[in-house]
Amino acid sequence: DTGVSQDPRHKITKRGQNVTFRCDPISEHNRLYWYRQTLGQGPEFLTYFQNEAQLEKSRLLSDRFSAERPKGSFSTLEIQRTEQGDSAMYLCASSLGGVLSSYNEQFFGPGTRLTVL
Amino acid sequence: QKEVEQNSGPLSVPEGAIASLNCTYSDRVSQSFFWYRQYSGKSPELIMSIYSNGDKEDGRFTAQLNKASQYVSLLIRDSQPSDSATYLCAVNGPGDKIIFGKGTRLHILP
Repeated sequence: DTGVSQDPRHKITKRGQNVTFRCDPISEHNRLYWYRQTLGQGPEFLTYFQNEAQLEKSRLLSDRFSAERPKGSFSTLEIQRTEQGDSAMYLCASSLGGVLSSYNEQFFGPGTRLTVL
Repeated sequence: QKEVEQNSGPLSVPEGAIASLNCTYSDRVSQSFFWYRQYSGKSPELIMSIYSNGDKEDGRFTAQLNKASQYVSLLIRDSQPSDSATYLCAVNGPGDKIIFGKGTRLHILP
């Protein structure tokens, strides 16, 4: 299967700890997006990459959040000093975008469910 | 004004009937529109994309787009219990971000 994969699928941590999530996109996709979703809400945009460049970061994203995509393939999302309000599903999606496609159809991975105690 | 608005539901539809889901958006320059299906505890699954005014059909699903009215809809014909899920409307927004609505919960009654 060559879909989007995410690891881990579930993470339970204590408040104040750091956590890191990984996303592997569909191999030919040049864009990678991170979203956060809480119960009863649609996915909320966090940040996205085109190849290795981080093109946009949500203004709602605190500086405790950082994301990287060092070689334009997989990406990591790190949350430092976690808070209970960070508990959510963290979703990764990938797409063909920019000059490769004007449609930007995004395909999601299974998500990482974070619980901060 | 919210960027993508949907009725949260739940929308209850008898099995075999047509389910109609609606969405409005605020950004007039949006060019790509999507419907995702999300089962409880799972991630969103892309089921329809539409880019031009009019209808687009794929199996039991029909997406409808009216850019003048800033309105997108999804029709599901011959509704099945397996169609019970939350349906997310999404719009390609500024900077190529996808903006999602909160979703409409659809319940197909057996």
